[in-house]
Amino acid sequence: GAVVSQHPSWVICKSGTSVKIECRSLDFQATTMFWYRQFPKQSLMLMATSNEGSKATYEQGVEKDKFLINHASLTLSTLTVTSAHPEDSSFYICSARDRGDYNEQFFGPGTRLTVL
Amino acid sequence: GQNIDQPTEMTATEGAIVQINCTYQTSGFNGLFWYQQHAGEAPTFLSYNVLDGLEEKGRFSSFLSRSKGYSYLLLKELQMKDSASYLCAALDSNYQLIWGAGTKLIIKP
Repeated sequence: GAVVSQHPSWVICKSGTSVKIECRSLDFQATTMFWYRQFPKQSLMLMATSNEGSKATYEQGVEKDKFLINHASLTLSTLTVTSAHPEDSSFYICSARDRGDYNEQFFGPGTRLTVL
Repeated sequence: GQNIDQPTEMTATEGAIVQINCTYQTSGFNGLFWYQQHAGEAPTFLSYNVLDGLEEKGRFSSFLSRSKGYSYLLLKELQMKDSASYLCAALDSNYQLIWGAGTKLIIKP
């Protein structure tokens, strides 16, 4: 089956630092990747949709200058949380869609970010 | 607007059967997904329905009625490990997943 990896699995950082999270599709080419955020006991919230080679599309209320997304290749997308603050602490999950299948999204294992 | 409704929480007994309902309203429709999510983990795929009817996969079955905008996930022979959140998500005309808030399922011995 299709596998998506995320790195790191968890990260603790000081307020004001920037954190980069990588999302990789290991055995398929992903023209589209999605970045979600999930706060405790809440559902997934789509932050942005990332298409390979073009700018990401951000959902309403998500600051594009704070959450930088780069999708430079068909197997890698990165999310950088710039100048992180405690309120950015959350579970960040990426998913990827196979270029040959528009229906299913394959999820990465998630990255737990804690900002002190 | 687009909307997915599912119960917030359900409780069931080990060995029993439980049905989790989901109603949806989306701009266009390209299918309905069910995902299972254990606390602290990413969602894992359970089922995908795009045609009306029941899809059975082991202890789990999923049903779809497109005319009613309704789906359910049926879990049989419940096990303690089935305690998790179950997320309903509809794929709209732009192939964007519209997520429900999830149903927390509590299994009691």
